[in-house]
Amino acid sequence: QVQLKESGPGLVAPSQSLSITCTISGFSLTSYGVHWVRQPPGKGLEWLVVIWSDGSTTYNSALKSRLSISKDNSKSQLFLEMNSLQTDDTAMYYCARGAGGGFAYWGQGTLVTVSA
Amino acid sequence: QIVLTQSPAIMSASPGERVTMTCSASSSVNYMHWYQQKSGTSPKRWIYDTSKLASGVPARFSGSGSGTSYSLTISSMEAEDAATYYCQQWSSNPPTFGGGTKLEIK
Repeated sequence: QVQLKESGPGLVAPSQSLSITCTISGFSLTSYGVHWVRQPPGKGLEWLVVIWSDGSTTYNSALKSRLSISKDNSKSQLFLEMNSLQTDDTAMYYCARGAGGGFAYWGQGTLVTVSA
Repeated sequence: QIVLTQSPAIMSASPGERVTMTCSASSSVNYMHWYQQKSGTSPKRWIYDTSKLASGVPARFSGSGSGTSYSLTISSMEAEDAATYYCQQWSSNPPTFGGGTKLEIK
């Protein structure tokens, strides 16, 4: 079955960079795009970026200058990097895949806390 | 970007009560998707393409709407329906979510 699982550093110091990995199974990255969505504690959802099956990307323009997404199809992994982190970047970071309309499959999320 | 405004932000309903929550878009959208999220868990796609129920979603749920106004209705509230519901559009980039409606059981 389709599964996505995020892994990340947990704690990041202010002004530092973040790297998160999403490992997928049950489908191929050469066939589906995968998105990143984040959710600050107690708040709503914010879409960040998608990497499509052909490797092209679409970014949320509000964060584009700070984000980078890539993938390794052979390892079934996606990588999200964000630089210049601040406390308001503290959030649960999810990877998600579409199927039909909307985001049908979600990972469990990885909590990133930005703190000194 | 299209802003989605959900109302009410918080509501409570008694078992068996009919529940309706709304999602208003700042510009016309073609479809609306809805997600259910319970505390400590990932969002689940609940209703997609405005009115299609995701797999496993009870038939007491329904979605409707068009243009800038969409709604999610529960015909008869059950305790397990207590959760936060988010609407989401992708008629234009970037995809955006509403702020959520927290539904509580009385």
